[in-house]
Amino acid sequence: GAGVSQSPSNKVTEKGKDVELRCDPISGHTALYWYRQRLGQGLEFLIYFQGNSAPDKSGLPSDRFSAERTGESVSTLTIQRTQQEDSAVYLCASSFTGRGGYTFGSGTRLTVV
Amino acid sequence: QQQVKQSPQSLIVQKGGISIINCAYENTAFDYFPWYQQFPGKGPALLIAIRPDVSEKKEGRFTISFNKSAKQFSLHIMDSQPGDSATYFCAASGDYKLSFGAGTTVTVRA
Repeated sequence: GAGVSQSPSNKVTEKGKDVELRCDPISGHTALYWYRQRLGQGLEFLIYFQGNSAPDKSGLPSDRFSAERTGESVSTLTIQRTQQEDSAVYLCASSFTGRGGYTFGSGTRLTVV
Repeated sequence: QQQVKQSPQSLIVQKGGISIINCAYENTAFDYFPWYQQFPGKGPALLIAIRPDVSEKKEGRFTISFNKSAKQFSLHIMDSQPGDSATYFCAASGDYKLSFGAGTTVTVRA
């Protein structure tokens, strides 16, 4: 597609439930990133995928967070047993080379109640 | 530990004025310094970027100034317009990962 697509755009979930967030990168972009943006704060790196290489998971805040990507296509970010501190906007970005020039999606706003 | 420090947190400027946002970094391995613009409800969009082999880059009304020895860089928005009202993030990278500043909310008053 023309841009990075994320779904859902908004998600309200009860504490303790699992959620799954989806990202469709720009076709042909080999690099895919997930970032978290808490209210009034900068972007926090979560995970990076590049082609078929092992992902860089160093930013995942706990083992409740996981992400998958099939080849160079769709990625899903899963948060298990959600907590209130997980409330944030989760942003996905893709890039042709993995060096700069990210294109971000509009994000998924997650609210844990 | 925030690798890129950004200031001010917010600023208000009159239409036609100059907005200046400053960023500082510590990691000398950083070699790519982009600025992103974010409107409410949207993801950040790349505005302008610079590499450390130049001290200034200009695109339209937006200019990045880069001081390698001081490990600082700044964004100048000339002739600020109400449509420039947004949150601006500086970032830095030495590989595939971007480290972001905390953001500056710019309000341009008509």
